[in-house]
Amino acid sequence: DTAVSQTPKYLVTQMGNDKSIKCEQNLGHDTMYWYKQDSKKFLKIMFSYNNKELIINETVPNRFSPKSPDKAHLNLHINSLELGDSAVYFCASSHNRGTEAFFGQGTRLTVV
Amino acid sequence: AQTVTQSQPEMSVQEAETVTLSCTYDTSENNYYLFWYKQPPSRQMILVIRQEAYKQQNATENRFSVNFQKAAKSFSLKISDSQLGDTAMYFCAFMNPQTGANNLFFGTGTRLTVIP
Repeated sequence: DTAVSQTPKYLVTQMGNDKSIKCEQNLGHDTMYWYKQDSKKFLKIMFSYNNKELIINETVPNRFSPKSPDKAHLNLHINSLELGDSAVYFCASSHNRGTEAFFGQGTRLTVV
Repeated sequence: AQTVTQSQPEMSVQEAETVTLSCTYDTSENNYYLFWYKQPPSRQMILVIRQEAYKQQNATENRFSVNFQKAAKSFSLKISDSQLGDTAMYFCAFMNPQTGANNLFFGTGTRLTVIP
């Protein structure tokens, strides 16, 4: 059973399009996250959600919006995609403070 | 934001040998958590080891151990008896539980190659 699953694994789309990446966790965790890994492999937090409330929103363009229909899901919607949005996006979840985050397998987004 | 520094972009080690990956961090907090994550070519992020700052004892997980020096803000990873499957990117990460969020701050990573 996959603990944190993301779909799709690969996404190729044109500039200006709107796309979504889905994430689901079956670990019963309280908090879910989205991280972005750029072409240099640097990982940076984008959003975190705890009990359906946004806890932190780093300096991410408002074209990116997280949507959490329930505790087990945190989807990422991206509007008006730009070339610079090309990256690998990771969903993750964790239980309590200080516990490790479990990551999904990542979604490689390529904007052409 | 916290700063995590990994000064070794690439390293290599002979199979069965031991290698140490360096990590330093900057924080004014006293209570925090440190992690090493492994990212093989499959892209999956895998937790290797975890250390609580309030614990003086260094964490160990089989062939993986850390040297946690709180005063020096250093958190190095030692891999003993290196195996081909250890070839991966290794990321050091910092978490401050006081912020109310559990988000991780990552270093830039070290690419480790295990040579047969």
